Amino acid sequence: GAVVSQHPSWVICKSGTSVKIECRSLDFQATTMFWYRQFPKQSLMLMATSNEGSKATYEQGVEKDKFLINHASLTLSTLTVTSAHPEDSSFYICSARDWTGHNEQFFGPGTRLTVL
Amino acid sequence: GQNIDQPTEMTATEGAIVQINCTYQTSGFNGLFWYQQHAGEAPTFLSYNVLDGLEEKGRFSSFLSRSKGYSYLLLKELQMKDSASYLCAVMDSNYQLIWGAGTKLIIKP
Repeated sequence: GAVVSQHPSWVICKSGTSVKIECRSLDFQATTMFWYRQFPKQSLMLMATSNEGSKATYEQGVEKDKFLINHASLTLSTLTVTSAHPEDSSFYICSARDWTGHNEQFFGPGTRLTVL
Repeated sequence: GQNIDQPTEMTATEGAIVQINCTYQTSGFNGLFWYQQHAGEAPTFLSYNVLDGLEEKGRFSSFLSRSKGYSYLLLKELQMKDSASYLCAVMDSNYQLIWGAGTKLIIKP
């Protein structure tokens, strides 16, 4: 199956700093990537849909000025958590859609963010 | 509104068979997916159904009835490593995935 990488795997930062998370599709081109957040023992929550070359579409309740998404190429999308606070600590997972198959989403390994 | 329902938690015995059900109500349908998620890890793709019927893949099978808005994931010969959450997701008319809350499967020896 298609491979999606995510970097970093985990990050610890101080409150008020910004953190950038990269999501790459390694062996296919992804016109659409998705960013999810998952709190402990809870389901995936879609944050935004990222389309190559255009602005991301954010889900209701997700602050687009706080969670900056850039999808500059067909293989790379980035999520920047700006001015992070402890309540932003979560598991952030990206996925990329491969249109050549069943349109399934392939997930990156996730990034665990801890804000002190 | 759009809705995916699946049991919160299930318990089964090693070597046995377990069926995880999923019912859905969505605006349009472009397929149903099952994903497995181990604690602390990202989901991994298990199966995809877009036509009615049973799809078998090794120990795992997935069934779909579009008229009933119903699917199940069948796991046979359960192994301890099958302990995980199983997520049901439906792709709606906009090709967006609508996710269920997941079913935590606990396997006991």
